[in-house]
Amino acid sequence: GAVVSQHPSRVICKSGTSVKIECRSLDFQATTMFWYRQFPKQSLMLMATSNEGSKATYEQGVEKDKFLINHASLTLSTLTVTSAHPEDSSFYICSARRLAGGDYNEQFFGPGTRLTVL
Amino acid sequence: GQNIDQPTEMTATEGAIVQINCTYQTSGFNGLFWYQQHAGEAPTFLSYNVLDGLEEKGRFSSFLSRSKGYSYLLLKELQMKDSASYLCAVRDGDYQLIWGAGTKLIIKP
Repeated sequence: GAVVSQHPSRVICKSGTSVKIECRSLDFQATTMFWYRQFPKQSLMLMATSNEGSKATYEQGVEKDKFLINHASLTLSTLTVTSAHPEDSSFYICSARRLAGGDYNEQFFGPGTRLTVL
Repeated sequence: GQNIDQPTEMTATEGAIVQINCTYQTSGFNGLFWYQQHAGEAPTFLSYNVLDGLEEKGRFSSFLSRSKGYSYLLLKELQMKDSASYLCAVRDGDYQLIWGAGTKLIIKP
């Protein structure tokens, strides 16, 4: 159990276009989903925390108008990179915190989305 | 401030034992996690410690000392597939994790 999927796994787009990444918890309900970005040879950087039905909380330095997050249901959160530029090329990973169960409310990670902006 | 330190890179031999240390200074503490991440993949959960002591799970063990702000991940009987980055993360509040930069572990035959 506790599977999180992401779609697409890879995307290549032209500069100036928008890209939507979906994160789904397949077999559990997630009150909270997290979006991370990871540049090569660096650790995970939290971009935003998304709670179902409310506005996302963005980390300092992350532009909320550029990285639009929608958490419309307990199993789906989307990240839209608007007007993408080459510097947005990165590995985007989502994680989901289970609504109930488990001793430690573990975060379950999606497989990640590799975004390349040309 | 919030700070998590772990070595950048370690090298070990197949079949041997390696210990990866993690020290932390956070405003709060609600558990420490270790994750394994292979290149190009998302992290996978290895262990969780919230109380002092050693948690053993197969070839992997994790230790925590809250008074010292210290944890280590112990990997025994190393295999080539254990070559990966190992991330230490601390939960300082209800659910948000603070991540270390990761330790790249290189296993040599």
